[in-house]
Amino acid sequence: GENVEQHPSTLSVQEGDSAVIKCTYSDSASNYFPWYKQELGKRPQLIIDIRSNVGEKKDQRIAVTLNKTAKHFSLHITETQPEDSAVYFCAARNTPGGKLIFGQGTELSVKP
Amino acid sequence: DAGITQSPRHKVTETGTPVTLRCHQTENHRYMYWYRQDPGHGLRLIHYSYGVKDTDKGEVSDGYSVSRSKTEDFLLTLESATSSQTSVYFCAISLGFSGGLFDEQFFGPGTRLTVL
Repeated sequence: GENVEQHPSTLSVQEGDSAVIKCTYSDSASNYFPWYKQELGKRPQLIIDIRSNVGEKKDQRIAVTLNKTAKHFSLHITETQPEDSAVYFCAARNTPGGKLIFGQGTELSVKP
Repeated sequence: DAGITQSPRHKVTETGTPVTLRCHQTENHRYMYWYRQDPGHGLRLIHYSYGVKDTDKGEVSDGYSVSRSKTEDFLLTLESATSSQTSVYFCAISLGFSGGLFDEQFFGPGTRLTVL
């Protein structure tokens, strides 16, 4: 079955620096790759997603890149702010309506 | 909040007792999911449903059962709770109505379950 590996598990950056989180997936049929942000004690919330026919997508300070050949995708956060501190999860899906398989999560800490 | 609620939000129970968690949605979404979240493991799928009375197992389904007799309710049951089932449980729905590949999956607020 599908497996998603996420690295690093923890990441600490200074405010204003960039942060990059990487995920690899095993099923080449996967076509949808969302990223979720989870603040302490809250539900995971979708922040950006990318489809397999797109190599890169941006939304203000966040961007996601996808390399289908290598089966990996990454989240990039620029000009980090303390409110970006949270746990971030990547995920992959290969069938309509089907299950999302999540990575293990990355705890991002942005220090003022 | 896409009309999704979970109950109870917190529960403490003893080993060997049955526990049922409820997920309720108000917008007639077809696909519903139950995940558990544990440190170091991310979100792992327990069971999911693609319609009334249509359910399937996820990656960590042992010890859990589900039922969906109405579109709006998806119940997760621990027949005989164990300490290893102490976790935070999230229900989720696919926001599309036909189960499209790119439908956003929206999460409920979560239930914190402690099994003593």
